[in-house]
Amino acid sequence: EAGVVQSPRYKIIEKKQPVAFWCNPISGHNTLYWYLQNLGQGPELLIRYENEEAVDDSQLPKDRFSAERLKGVDSTLKIQPAELGDSAVYLCASSFRTGQNTGELFFGEGSRLTVL
Amino acid sequence: GEDVEQSLFLSVREGDSSVINCTYTDSSSTYLYWYKQEPGAGLQLLTYIFSNMDMKQDQRLTVLLNKKDKHLSLRIADTQTGDSAIYFCAESPYGQNFVFGPGTRLSVLP
Repeated sequence: EAGVVQSPRYKIIEKKQPVAFWCNPISGHNTLYWYLQNLGQGPELLIRYENEEAVDDSQLPKDRFSAERLKGVDSTLKIQPAELGDSAVYLCASSFRTGQNTGELFFGEGSRLTVL
Repeated sequence: GEDVEQSLFLSVREGDSSVINCTYTDSSSTYLYWYKQEPGAGLQLLTYIFSNMDMKQDQRLTVLLNKKDKHLSLRIADTQTGDSAIYFCAESPYGQNFVFGPGTRLSVLP
């Protein structure tokens, strides 16, 4: 069975340009997460989806970041315009959540963004 | 607020035991987790412990939980060079989101 798939793996852009990341979660997983991982730090939540609903986007910088989860499956994360400080790894994860049980979190390999 | 803390670096000799420590703040987490991240890869679940347990053993891995002190540790017996990675402690307050520590970089010396 395929794991969480992310693309692109690497992206280099100039500041003020837009960028988009795509995530395909594990089949059947109802919960999808986007995390930001800066160098030398742990992942920090940007947004969590339950099916197609964003249930926690409190840490998403909404002036430049947006996300959507199409039909409760794939998801895209967009940054427009990108800033130098956005250089980081963007991790997608998914789980099968039942009630209060979050289920095991499975991560993709991440999309590494470099903003010049 | 939620906060997970870990020491950032640990070096051990091959064959020795490694002990990675973590402190957390939220007592509502039903499970506490250890994730492993190898270079250029995403995080992979290593093991977890239910909050009403004190200890869990899984082959070379031993997890100890002191709920009173909110202290979690991961012991790796007979550490191998393949164990070199970053290890993240995580909690899941009220079963909502996962909160990760900064990670401990384990270096295994030959």
